[in-house]
Amino acid sequence: EPEVTQTPSHQVTQMGQEVILRCVPISNHLYFYWYRQILGQKVEFLVSFYNNEISEKSEIFDDQFSVERPDGSNFTLKIRSTKLEDSAMYFCASSGRIDRLQYFGPGTRLLVL
Amino acid sequence: AQTVTQSQPEMSVQEAETVTLSCTYDTSESNYYLFWYKQPPSRQMILVIRQEAYKQQNATENRFSVNFQKAAKSFSLKISDSQLGDTAMYFCAFLRGGATNKLIFGTGTLLAVQP
Repeated sequence: EPEVTQTPSHQVTQMGQEVILRCVPISNHLYFYWYRQILGQKVEFLVSFYNNEISEKSEIFDDQFSVERPDGSNFTLKIRSTKLEDSAMYFCASSGRIDRLQYFGPGTRLLVL
Repeated sequence: AQTVTQSQPEMSVQEAETVTLSCTYDTSESNYYLFWYKQPPSRQMILVIRQEAYKQQNATENRFSVNFQKAAKSFSLKISDSQLGDTAMYFCAFLRGGATNKLIFGTGTLLAVQP
């Protein structure tokens, strides 16, 4: 069964450093998303991406964040200058054109020290 | 703005018993979707069940079923014959129909299945 994959599974970084989180969505999906979950809190929407551009973003997704689909398979989230409060689990998800089901990847656990 | 409320932070059930997790939501939309996601200790988000608001029939997936009360804006999840592997955090989520694809999650219910 097709699945969304994410790398790395864990990342530790120093405050102020740039990180890139990578995702490979399900191959025939056209919509891509990033969510985050701070430990012990609910899952929050960050951004959705379709047709090579951002279609929707939340207040959390400020200028420190960017997304890119550099090739036909990868979808990345970049945090330019990490802050302590960026420590969270980051989930990538994808969905098809008609089916509104979003399939989530296993997540990347980011720890900012 | 849409909101999703899960009023039970934690629940416990004996193996083989039935448990119901509550979820209410607030929206003025008529076209929307509701989901239950399961998050086991591994923290992966796994889709359990989906309900389209226009469908009157309650969705069922094996041991999992929902009680969708559109007028009351209630969407509860029933787990029958609970198994130890059902131990997880369960999130209710709302998706408005139309152009948006932003899932709105509740705060979750931590379910512990006891042997």
